[in-house]
Amino acid sequence: DAGVIQSPRHEVTEMGQEVTLRCKPISGHDYLFWYRQTMMRGLELLIYFNNNVPIDDSGMPEDRFSAKMPNASFSTLKIQPSEPRDSAVYFCASTPGRRAPLHFGNGTRLTVT
Amino acid sequence: AQSVTQLGSHVSVSEGALVLLRCNYSSSVPPYLFWYVQYPNQGLQLLLKYTSAATLVKGINGFEAEFKKSETSFHLTKPSAHMSDAAEYFCAGSLTGNQFYFGTGTSLTVIP
Repeated sequence: DAGVIQSPRHEVTEMGQEVTLRCKPISGHDYLFWYRQTMMRGLELLIYFNNNVPIDDSGMPEDRFSAKMPNASFSTLKIQPSEPRDSAVYFCASTPGRRAPLHFGNGTRLTVT
Repeated sequence: AQSVTQLGSHVSVSEGALVLLRCNYSSSVPPYLFWYVQYPNQGLQLLLKYTSAATLVKGINGFEAEFKKSETSFHLTKPSAHMSDAAEYFCAGSLTGNQFYFGTGTSLTVIP
């Protein structure tokens, strides 16, 4: 099992550009979560999916953020347009259900200049 | 309200001393609780998990945690701190539905 795979590992972009973060969950995990981590706000839940359907997106900061899960093995988090305050580490995590722990990817470190 | 609270954002211990990181939860249903460790520039790794089978849970790297329902606590301990234990530690709970709640994290410093 390769674990949760995120790409890219690092992303540096200029303000106003579109950014797309990618995640491949562990096979068989029905739940996928996107988190954002910053020094100021800690670990924040952005959105989570169950069987590819978004269940709770109340953590998505604003309309500039969108997430999709077109199939069980792939999810994207898009920011358009990006702003410097979006700079953070974005984590994807998956789990088969609430009795099991979340498995985290290594994260994408986003820097918006 | 469902929540996970970690007391102490920073903890310092001497090498060889006891490590105690505190976590309390609030849940209307039996919780499933977890401790994670995060090393610099890495993702969160599972240390241990409580899923109602046993109240004392042993994890990796010599850590263990005890679930105490009467105190709504799930504190993490290690008898003897090692320099390599220096990291950020997160308590998390699956408290209701399929939502995972995370504490704000505790940064552990080990003093040689």
